[in-house]
Amino acid sequence: QVQLLESGPGLVKPSQTLSLTCTVFGGSISRAGYYWNWIRQPAGKGLEWIGRIYISGSTEYNPSLKSRVTISVDRAKNQFSLKLSSVTAADTAVYYCATSPDLANWFDPWGQGTLVTVSS
Amino acid sequence: EIVMTQSPAALSVSPGERATLSCRASQSVRTNLAWYQQKPGQAPRLLIYSASTRATGIPARFSGSGSGTEFSLTISSLQSDDFAVYYCQQYHDWPPMTFGQGTKVEI
Repeated sequence: QVQLLESGPGLVKPSQTLSLTCTVFGGSISRAGYYWNWIRQPAGKGLEWIGRIYISGSTEYNPSLKSRVTISVDRAKNQFSLKLSSVTAADTAVYYCATSPDLANWFDPWGQGTLVTVSS
Repeated sequence: EIVMTQSPAALSVSPGERATLSCRASQSVRTNLAWYQQKPGQAPRLLIYSASTRATGIPARFSGSGSGTEFSLTISSLQSDDFAVYYCQQYHDWPPMTFGQGTKVEI
Protein backbone atom coordinates (compact mmCIF):
# COMPACT_ATOMS: atom_id res chain seq x y z
CA GLN A 1 0.00 0.00 0.00
CA VAL A 2 1.26 3.47 -0.84
CA GLN A 3 2.14 6.04 1.80
CA LEU A 4 1.37 9.73 1.50
CA LEU A 5 3.11 12.71 3.08
CA GLU A 6 1.91 16.30 3.06
CA SER A 7 4.29 19.25 3.10
CA GLY A 8 4.09 23.01 2.92
CA PRO A 9 4.03 26.21 4.97
CA GLY A 10 2.32 26.00 8.32
CA LEU A 11 1.40 29.68 8.37
CA VAL A 12 -0.28 31.69 5.63
CA LYS A 13 -1.39 35.30 5.75
CA PRO A 14 -5.01 36.26 5.10
CA SER A 15 -5.84 36.91 1.42
CA GLN A 16 -2.78 34.94 0.28
CA THR A 17 -2.64 31.53 -1.40
CA LEU A 18 -2.21 28.32 0.57
CA SER A 19 0.03 25.82 -1.22
CA LEU A 20 0.56 22.21 -0.16
CA THR A 21 2.19 19.19 -1.75
CA CYS A 22 1.52 15.50 -1.21
CA THR A 23 4.32 13.08 -2.03
CA VAL A 24 3.42 9.49 -2.82
CA PHE A 25 5.80 6.77 -1.62
CA GLY A 26 5.79 3.07 -2.42
CA GLY A 27 3.90 3.30 -5.67
CA SER A 28 3.42 5.37 -8.78
CA ILE A 29 1.02 8.29 -8.83
CA SER A 30 0.48 7.34 -12.47
CA ARG A 31 -1.12 3.99 -11.68
CA ALA A 32 -4.50 3.62 -13.30
CA GLY A 33 -7.69 3.48 -11.32
CA TYR A 34 -6.89 5.79 -8.44
CA TYR A 35 -7.75 9.35 -7.59
CA TRP A 36 -5.67 11.69 -5.44
CA ASN A 37 -7.64 13.75 -2.96
CA TRP A 38 -7.36 16.65 -0.54
CA ILE A 39 -9.49 16.72 2.62
CA ARG A 40 -9.36 19.16 5.51
CA GLN A 41 -10.42 19.28 9.16
CA PRO A 42 -10.66 22.43 11.29
CA ALA A 43 -9.62 21.89 14.89
CA GLY A 44 -12.27 19.97 16.81
CA LYS A 45 -14.54 19.74 13.79
CA GLY A 46 -15.48 17.31 11.05
CA LEU A 47 -13.99 16.44 7.69
CA GLU A 48 -14.49 18.37 4.45
CA TRP A 49 -13.57 16.96 1.04
CA ILE A 50 -11.80 19.64 -1.02
CA GLY A 51 -11.26 17.95 -4.36
CA ARG A 52 -9.39 15.35 -6.35
CA ILE A 53 -7.32 14.72 -9.45
CA TYR A 54 -6.82 11.76 -11.74
CA ILE A 55 -3.53 11.04 -13.45
CA SER A 56 -5.04 12.28 -16.71
CA GLY A 57 -5.25 15.69 -15.07
CA SER A 58 -9.02 15.58 -14.73
CA THR A 59 -10.15 17.35 -11.57
CA GLU A 60 -13.29 17.59 -9.44
CA TYR A 61 -13.82 20.10 -6.67
CA ASN A 62 -16.19 20.73 -3.80
CA PRO A 63 -18.61 23.34 -5.15
CA SER A 64 -18.25 25.35 -1.94
CA LEU A 65 -14.54 25.85 -2.64
CA LYS A 66 -14.36 25.50 -6.40
CA SER A 67 -13.74 29.16 -7.16
CA ARG A 68 -10.61 29.16 -4.97
CA VAL A 69 -9.12 25.67 -5.45
CA THR A 70 -6.64 24.25 -7.91
CA ILE A 71 -5.27 20.71 -7.71
CA SER A 72 -2.44 19.64 -9.98
CA VAL A 73 -0.16 16.65 -10.45
CA ASP A 74 3.58 16.30 -11.10
CA ARG A 75 4.20 12.79 -12.41
CA ALA A 76 7.96 13.19 -12.50
CA LYS A 77 8.08 13.95 -8.78
CA ASN A 78 5.28 11.53 -7.85
CA GLN A 79 3.44 14.42 -6.21
CA PHE A 80 0.16 16.25 -6.37
CA SER A 81 -0.54 19.70 -5.06
CA LEU A 82 -3.25 21.93 -3.63
CA LYS A 83 -3.59 25.67 -4.06
CA LEU A 84 -6.30 27.55 -2.18
CA SER A 85 -6.49 31.26 -2.90
CA SER A 86 -7.80 34.23 -0.92
CA VAL A 87 -7.58 32.40 2.39
CA THR A 88 -9.22 33.57 5.60
CA ALA A 89 -9.12 32.34 9.19
CA ALA A 90 -11.90 29.92 8.25
CA ASP A 91 -9.38 28.01 6.13
CA THR A 92 -7.28 27.18 9.19
CA ALA A 93 -7.30 23.40 9.42
CA VAL A 94 -5.34 20.18 9.24
CA TYR A 95 -5.05 19.32 5.56
CA TYR A 96 -4.87 15.67 4.54
CA CYS A 97 -4.10 14.03 1.24
CA ALA A 98 -5.62 10.63 0.54
CA THR A 99 -6.15 8.22 -2.31
CA SER A 100 -9.41 6.70 -3.46
CA PRO A 101 -10.13 3.94 -5.96
CA ASP A 102 -11.98 4.78 -9.13
CA LEU A 103 -15.69 3.93 -9.00
CA ALA A 104 -15.47 3.53 -5.22
CA ASN A 105 -14.55 6.87 -3.67
CA TRP A 106 -13.68 5.85 -0.15
CA PHE A 107 -10.38 7.18 1.16
CA ASP A 108 -7.53 4.82 1.93
CA PRO A 109 -4.79 5.46 2.82
CA TRP A 110 -4.42 8.97 4.20
CA GLY A 111 -1.36 11.08 4.82
CA GLN A 112 -0.57 12.09 8.39
CA GLY A 113 -1.94 15.60 7.82
CA THR A 114 -0.39 19.03 8.09
CA LEU A 115 -1.71 21.99 10.08
CA VAL A 116 -2.11 25.23 8.19
CA THR A 117 -2.91 28.35 10.17
CA VAL A 118 -4.16 31.50 8.48
CA SER A 119 -3.07 34.50 10.49
CA SER A 120 -1.33 37.80 10.01
CA GLU B 1 -25.42 18.05 -1.34
CA ILE B 2 -26.20 14.98 0.76
CA VAL B 3 -26.11 15.75 4.48
CA MET B 4 -24.90 12.98 6.78
CA THR B 5 -26.11 13.07 10.38
CA GLN B 6 -24.50 10.91 13.05
CA SER B 7 -25.92 10.03 16.44
CA PRO B 8 -25.22 10.22 19.23
CA ALA B 9 -22.55 12.93 19.27
CA ALA B 10 -20.85 11.09 22.11
CA LEU B 11 -21.24 7.62 23.55
CA SER B 12 -19.93 6.49 26.92
CA VAL B 13 -19.23 2.78 27.17
CA SER B 14 -17.13 0.41 29.24
CA PRO B 15 -14.48 -1.92 27.84
CA GLY B 16 -16.05 -5.19 26.78
CA GLU B 17 -19.44 -3.61 26.09
CA ARG B 18 -21.14 -3.34 22.73
CA ALA B 19 -21.40 0.03 20.98
CA THR B 20 -23.76 0.92 18.15
CA LEU B 21 -23.27 4.15 16.21
CA SER B 22 -25.81 5.54 13.76
CA CYS B 23 -25.51 7.49 10.53
CA ARG B 24 -28.41 8.90 8.54
CA ALA B 25 -28.27 10.30 5.01
CA SER B 26 -30.56 13.11 3.83
CA GLN B 27 -31.35 11.03 0.73
CA SER B 28 -30.61 7.49 -0.36
CA VAL B 29 -26.96 6.62 -0.86
CA ARG B 30 -27.73 2.93 -1.49
CA THR B 31 -24.74 1.16 0.10
CA ASN B 32 -22.18 3.77 -0.94
CA LEU B 33 -21.09 4.46 2.60
CA ALA B 34 -17.79 4.21 4.48
CA TRP B 35 -16.85 4.40 8.15
CA TYR B 36 -13.58 5.77 9.54
CA GLN B 37 -11.91 5.77 12.94
CA GLN B 38 -9.86 8.76 14.06
CA LYS B 39 -7.70 8.91 17.16
CA PRO B 40 -6.33 12.21 18.57
CA GLY B 41 -3.52 13.62 16.45
CA GLN B 42 -3.93 10.95 13.77
CA ALA B 43 -5.44 10.76 10.33
CA PRO B 44 -8.72 8.89 9.87
CA ARG B 45 -8.41 5.17 9.16
CA LEU B 46 -10.82 3.33 6.87
CA LEU B 47 -12.82 0.69 8.73
CA ILE B 48 -15.77 -0.21 6.50
CA TYR B 49 -16.71 0.45 2.87
CA SER B 50 -19.77 -0.45 0.82
CA ALA B 51 -21.69 -0.15 4.10
CA SER B 52 -20.66 -3.57 5.40
CA THR B 53 -17.27 -4.67 4.01
CA ARG B 54 -14.38 -4.50 6.45
CA ALA B 55 -11.22 -2.92 5.11
CA THR B 56 -7.99 -4.88 5.10
CA GLY B 57 -6.72 -5.62 8.59
CA ILE B 58 -9.82 -4.42 10.44
CA PRO B 59 -10.82 -6.75 13.31
CA ALA B 60 -14.04 -8.73 13.06
CA ARG B 61 -15.49 -6.93 16.11
CA PHE B 62 -16.24 -4.02 13.76
CA SER B 63 -19.31 -4.50 11.60
CA GLY B 64 -21.38 -2.23 9.41
CA SER B 65 -24.95 -2.52 8.22
CA GLY B 66 -27.69 -0.60 6.51
CA SER B 67 -28.68 0.74 3.12
CA GLY B 68 -30.55 3.68 1.68
CA THR B 69 -30.61 6.34 4.39
CA GLU B 70 -29.99 4.44 7.63
CA PHE B 71 -26.67 2.90 8.62
CA SER B 72 -24.97 1.62 11.72
CA LEU B 73 -21.50 0.70 12.90
CA THR B 74 -21.30 -1.85 15.68
CA ILE B 75 -18.28 -2.61 17.81
CA SER B 76 -19.13 -5.91 19.43
CA SER B 77 -16.79 -5.80 22.45
CA LEU B 78 -15.00 -2.54 22.96
CA GLN B 79 -11.31 -2.64 23.59
CA SER B 80 -9.20 0.21 24.96
CA ASP B 81 -7.81 0.84 21.47
CA ASP B 82 -11.31 1.52 20.11
CA PHE B 83 -11.95 4.74 22.02
CA ALA B 84 -11.88 7.32 19.24
CA VAL B 85 -14.08 9.43 16.99
CA TYR B 86 -15.94 7.63 14.21
CA TYR B 87 -17.09 9.25 10.97
CA CYS B 88 -19.37 8.07 8.20
CA GLN B 89 -18.94 9.24 4.60
CA GLN B 90 -21.20 8.94 1.58
CA TYR B 91 -19.82 8.55 -1.91
CA HIS B 92 -23.05 7.98 -3.80
CA ASP B 93 -23.77 11.50 -5.02
CA TRP B 94 -20.88 13.85 -5.60
CA PRO B 95 -19.31 16.29 -5.76
CA PRO B 96 -19.04 16.72 -2.95
CA MET B 97 -18.43 13.53 -1.06
CA THR B 98 -19.64 14.32 2.45
CA PHE B 99 -18.94 13.20 5.99
CA GLY B 100 -20.99 13.07 9.15
CA GLN B 101 -19.98 15.24 12.08
CA GLY B 102 -18.62 12.28 14.03
CA THR B 103 -19.44 10.23 17.11
CA LYS B 104 -16.96 10.20 19.98
CA VAL B 105 -16.74 6.88 21.77
CA GLU B 106 -15.41 7.47 25.25
CA ILE B 107 -14.91 5.54 28.42
